[in-house]
Amino acid sequence: AQSVTQLGSHVSVSEGALVLLRCNYSSSVPPYLFWYVQYPNQGLQLLLKYTSAATLVKGINGFEAEFKKSETSFHLTKPSAHMSDAAEYFCAVSSTGGTSYGKLTFGQGTILTVHP
Amino acid sequence: DGGITQSPKYLFRKEGQNVTLSCEQNLNHDAMYWYRQDPGQGLRLIYYSQIVNDFQKGDIAEGYSVSREKKESFPLTVTSAQKNPTAFYLCASRLAGGRSNEQCFGPGTRLTVL
Repeated sequence: AQSVTQLGSHVSVSEGALVLLRCNYSSSVPPYLFWYVQYPNQGLQLLLKYTSAATLVKGINGFEAEFKKSETSFHLTKPSAHMSDAAEYFCAVSSTGGTSYGKLTFGQGTILTVHP
Repeated sequence: DGGITQSPKYLFRKEGQNVTLSCEQNLNHDAMYWYRQDPGQGLRLIYYSQIVNDFQKGDIAEGYSVSREKKESFPLTVTSAQKNPTAFYLCASRLAGGRSNEQCFGPGTRLTVL
């Protein structure tokens, strides 16, 4: 079984400040991990993914995430927030094998607000 | 351009009516998925299909049905048995055999029951 917990349903930052969105996962096999972004009334867009290569993963729009196996975490960061980063962010885990192969399990989402 | 299309974008239904949501992809992906999204609950898997003419129930399949007669198409029917169908529905697809299990998403259909 696999699960994802996103700490904080709402995060608010000032423009130019550091963005940190937290994600912890549980998986019985080595996982693939993803961050997706969703703008209002739209589908999900992939920001970045971890596939067991480099533990520090760089994505689009200046975002990056670090896979920490010992902490079972995959937190999303961006050094300087922009107004256009305001959206909802989802962390997801997928199994690398077994009967859950190919299925994604999502966290509850974190809504990021950016203040001028 | 390759991608996933969902139609309609907005759908209104009276209680007791069945309604079908369309999902089409031209990415040549093998697997397709339907998710339901409610505020604060993330995405929950309704049904998925790994190949044509085969599909499996996800976590919340009750009150829904699907078919997979063509590789490109995976329509979802919301039946009158679904007690709370008002939600945002997302379709996704994945290339089987891919290294990362990455899924691509359509733009979604917002269903409102009046």
